[in-house]
Amino acid sequence: KAGVTQTPRYLIKTRGQQVTLSCSPISGHRSVSWYQQTPGQGLQFLFEYFSETQRNKGNFPGRFSGRQFSNSRSEMNVSTLELGDSALYLCASSLDNSGANVLTFGAGSRLTVL
Amino acid sequence: GENVEQHPSTLSVQEGDSAVIKCTYSDSASNYFPWYKQELGKRPQLIIDIRSNVGEKKDQRIAVTLNKTAKHFSLHITETQPEDSAVYFCAASRTGFQKLVFGTGTRLLVSP
Repeated sequence: KAGVTQTPRYLIKTRGQQVTLSCSPISGHRSVSWYQQTPGQGLQFLFEYFSETQRNKGNFPGRFSGRQFSNSRSEMNVSTLELGDSALYLCASSLDNSGANVLTFGAGSRLTVL
Repeated sequence: GENVEQHPSTLSVQEGDSAVIKCTYSDSASNYFPWYKQELGKRPQLIIDIRSNVGEKKDQRIAVTLNKTAKHFSLHITETQPEDSAVYFCAASRTGFQKLVFGTGTRLLVSP
């Protein structure tokens, strides 16, 4: 079956713009989380969604937001982009939140802010 | 706050040698500890994980040990091969949540 699909894979934006990234989880997976990966800060947790509800949020400014739809697909949005937002944004899905935390990652969306 | 320390940051070994990567976590409520391998330009992939009710788990050349008292867990790779070269991340979380707190990563280089 298909893995976690993220779109777009690459994008370039300028400071002040906003961006929306999309994630389609593995079929049947209902839990989605997002991570930011940078050389300096490593892998940092952004948000976690289950059944369209945000269950947890990382330590990021309010410019970072997300949502999950009824089909479990998720989007994240970053407004008023800053140079420091340049990163690989990874989405991960798991079956549910019953206790098995095995996450499967997508290939990521690489955002460059100029 | 929650924190996972990982050492070493880089590790160079000869093919056939063993490699050990160590992590320490701060959140005593953590009870799930996965290890991910990330090759250059690719997504992180789960290679092994361990839960707090188990002290050791092995899968072929890879093993993970957990010491809950000391809040330490380690990845052991035996008979290393060049294709083991990658960045390895440890992580910790609480069961039922997808929030993984990652270590800073270890770049493993296996020379033929």
